[in-house]
Amino acid sequence: DTGVSQDPRHKITKRGQNVTFRCDPISEHNRLYWYRQTLGQGPEFLTYFQNEAQLEKSRLLSDRFSAERPKGSFSTLEIQRTEQGDSAMYLCASSLIFGVNGYTFGSGTRLTVV
Amino acid sequence: AQTVTQSQPEMSVQEAETVTLSCTYDTSENNYYLFWYKQPPSRQMILVIRQEAYKQQNATENRFSVNFQKAAKSFSLKISDSQLGDTAMYFCAFMKQEETSGSRLTFGEGTQLTVNP
Repeated sequence: DTGVSQDPRHKITKRGQNVTFRCDPISEHNRLYWYRQTLGQGPEFLTYFQNEAQLEKSRLLSDRFSAERPKGSFSTLEIQRTEQGDSAMYLCASSLIFGVNGYTFGSGTRLTVV
Repeated sequence: AQTVTQSQPEMSVQEAETVTLSCTYDTSENNYYLFWYKQPPSRQMILVIRQEAYKQQNATENRFSVNFQKAAKSFSLKISDSQLGDTAMYFCAFMKQEETSGSRLTFGEGTQLTVNP
């Protein structure tokens, strides 16, 4: 197992365009999380899945954001009509069904909206 | 809502010396978990150490140890025998008990630690 993989590592897009990020968690992990990290700040929770079910969404996740985890495997995070304020590092993490032992994070996708 | 505060934006230490990073948190919960994560430059976040709030004994992982003061809501990280590879951003994080949190982590703003040769 190679850990949590995120693709792409970097994405530059023009304002108003749609972007989609992918996360492949550790295969035996039931939980998958998305966080957003802006420069100089700690990560902020966006949403999480248990298997294929999206169980919680943060108020940070506006209507322009949507996340899926079909079949409980990989996950995608889509941002529609990107804005400059969406520029950030998007982190994916996974854990066993209870995350109290800590997550395994991916390397993140850095989004720049120009 | 829980908050986590790291009051030291930057710290530096000489190689082989000891450094302590501070973290305080605010919660009304009695059962929870605390973590320190390390984020090296341009690399993924790695779990350094974790502490269960119901345990009085401070967690230790090799050169890393914590000073957990539940009443004071303080959770500091001590790094002994600092190494150049310890240079990273360190985040303190809080997790409520699973039943009410879904294992959501609340992070502090981070402390940038630089280990000097």
